[in-house]
Amino acid sequence: DAKTTQPPSMDCAEGRAANLPCNHSTISGNEYVYWYRQIHSQGPQYIIHGLKNNETNEMASLIITEDRKSSTLILPHATLRDTAVYYCIVRVEGGDMRFGAGTRLTVKP
Amino acid sequence: EPEVTQTPSHQVTQMGQEVILRCVPISNHLYFYWYRQILGQKVEFLVSFYNNEISEKSEIFDDQFSVERPDGSNFTLKIRSTKLEDSAMYFCASRRLSPVYEQYFGPGTRLTVT
Repeated sequence: DAKTTQPPSMDCAEGRAANLPCNHSTISGNEYVYWYRQIHSQGPQYIIHGLKNNETNEMASLIITEDRKSSTLILPHATLRDTAVYYCIVRVEGGDMRFGAGTRLTVKP
Repeated sequence: EPEVTQTPSHQVTQMGQEVILRCVPISNHLYFYWYRQILGQKVEFLVSFYNNEISEKSEIFDDQFSVERPDGSNFTLKIRSTKLEDSAMYFCASRRLSPVYEQYFGPGTRLTVT
């Protein structure tokens, strides 16, 4: 499985965009980029996923570089409730999720 | 909105005892998963289950663990003889057959082995 590298922590001001980077330089052609988050000790929550095109849904946008070696999750207007650990996972379609340490995002008022 | 439920929310057991953690996946989902998270550590995949059999398991899922779908709604994780290091949060997840990308996680069961 392709490994991912994320910064351990980031801060963001409330109302500003949060841009969370992820490196996955060994990604294979059939592997997707998934983003999940975990708020406090709750169960992880799916955010978004993509293969090569940029994607947007009601929660976030996912920007994948043309070479697919890195991606950025964008929360356009972060709120205090977005404070969580964000996980970037690279897996084949339908595969189980293998979580790393993620990025702890703290949204500050 | 349908959700995955898990019971109990907290289970305390003595070392060597058997425990069964219960999950009710979302009703039209066909793939089921167990994950665990030791306090302060990452979420770890244990096992996936489809069509009444294990489809994938991690190295953590050894002979002391088993899973079962005893009826049309429940999905259980049994730990035969608990050890102190089994203390963790256990999450159940489920997903549809298609689309395949989104797993829905339950709120977790906190297992404390004393």
